[in-house]
Amino acid sequence: NAGVTQTPKFRVLKTGQSMTLLCAQDMNHEYMYWYRQDPGMGLRLIHYSVGEGTTAKGEVPDGYNVSRLKKQNFLLGLESAAPSQTSVYFCASRKGGPYFNEQFFGPGTRLTVL
Amino acid sequence: AQKITQTQPGMFVQEKEAVTLDCTYDTSDPSYGLFWYKQPSSGEMIFLIYQGSYDQQNATEGRYSLNFQKARKSANLVISASQLGDSAMYFCAMRENRDDKIIFGKGTRLHILP
Repeated sequence: NAGVTQTPKFRVLKTGQSMTLLCAQDMNHEYMYWYRQDPGMGLRLIHYSVGEGTTAKGEVPDGYNVSRLKKQNFLLGLESAAPSQTSVYFCASRKGGPYFNEQFFGPGTRLTVL
Repeated sequence: AQKITQTQPGMFVQEKEAVTLDCTYDTSDPSYGLFWYKQPSSGEMIFLIYQGSYDQQNATEGRYSLNFQKARKSANLVISASQLGDSAMYFCAMRENRDDKIIFGKGTRLHILP
């Protein structure tokens, strides 16, 4: 099992460019999450999904869109990148249900917007 | 709205001493879970321990224990007999069962001194 993988690992964009980050998990998890990590700010939730075809906003959703067309994939899109979106992006997934299920994290994507 | 507060940006502790990392939270959901994660300098997120809001006893996992004081809304992580390998960033996180958001605090960077 690969667990949670993120593509790409690194990316440099110019202001105004668009890109899509891919998160894939092979654990048949229902829930998937996108976070951004910035120095001194911890991890902030961007969007999340509780199942295929569903998405919901997190704490900092502006400037991002997401899609969950397949259960195993969760895409994060930046339509017009801004320098404020320079960050490390983490994807996570977990099994569904009301009880405790650990989040499994991907290795992160380091994005720089010039 | 749910909220996680970690008030210690950084801590220095002598090796073999016990460490307490503070975490307070705020939620109106009576059913929630609290987590701690460790992030070493390599960047991966490592799950440490979980406490459910209805759990009667404080959670323990090896050298890690969670000092859960529900009335005070605090969920402090205690690391016994600290080791050099414990040097890392530590994040407290909370999930409200009603919407499955999982949000994180800003983290505490722990330095273990030889």
